[in-house]
Amino acid sequence: QLVVTQSPSASASLGASVRLTCTLSSGRSTYAIAWHQQQPGKGPRYLMKINSDGTHNKGDGIPDRFSGSTSGAERYLTISSLQSEDEADYYCQSWDTGIQVFGGGTKLTVL
Amino acid sequence: QVQLQESGPGLVRPSETLSLTCTVSGGSISTTSHYWGWIRQPPGKGLEWIGSINYSGDTYYNPSLKSRVTISVDTSKNQVSLKLTAADTAVYYCARHPSRYWNFDLWGRGTLVTVSS
Repeated sequence: QLVVTQSPSASASLGASVRLTCTLSSGRSTYAIAWHQQQPGKGPRYLMKINSDGTHNKGDGIPDRFSGSTSGAERYLTISSLQSEDEADYYCQSWDTGIQVFGGGTKLTVL
Repeated sequence: QVQLQESGPGLVRPSETLSLTCTVSGGSISTTSHYWGWIRQPPGKGLEWIGSINYSGDTYYNPSLKSRVTISVDTSKNQVSLKLTAADTAVYYCARHPSRYWNFDLWGRGTLVTVSS
């Protein structure tokens, strides 16, 4: 069964970098995932798709400060030069034949 | 550019069927390149996929909701519709994903539906 797992919370200082992790369930290390950002009171926004080889495809207008990478069954979202508007919930999403799953989300606090 | 807009009643009685429409503007829904999905988010909680459909009516549903959900497409109106029985209070989103890789790459703003008597 496909499951994606995220830490519930993360924090980092203004101007610093932070790396969020999405972990695919056992046997799914070759699966791609997508990251979505949800700022307070707003709908989700597509950030990027990350493939198992680490290549990623960003959504339109996503700043270079956002990047993606891979290690085994883990998919990462790294945000550099943190800004106040990066304080948001970040959701990981993956898919299998005919099914979609979301992680529980990571709430990022910018200190 | 392509935009998605959800519409429908903001209040539904517990015994009623929730009915929502997603209107696609700036592009055609009749493309082999994409599916159109519904996702919901209860207040203060995470995202849950409800189901997806393409322009020819090929449909996939979340197994946990399958018995209560119907998603349909109207290509003449460029719309996708959602019907859900025993619905829950949540913000309901319409979103698009490619046919080959199922990452949602475009989201609507969402519509809040409150289930209450």
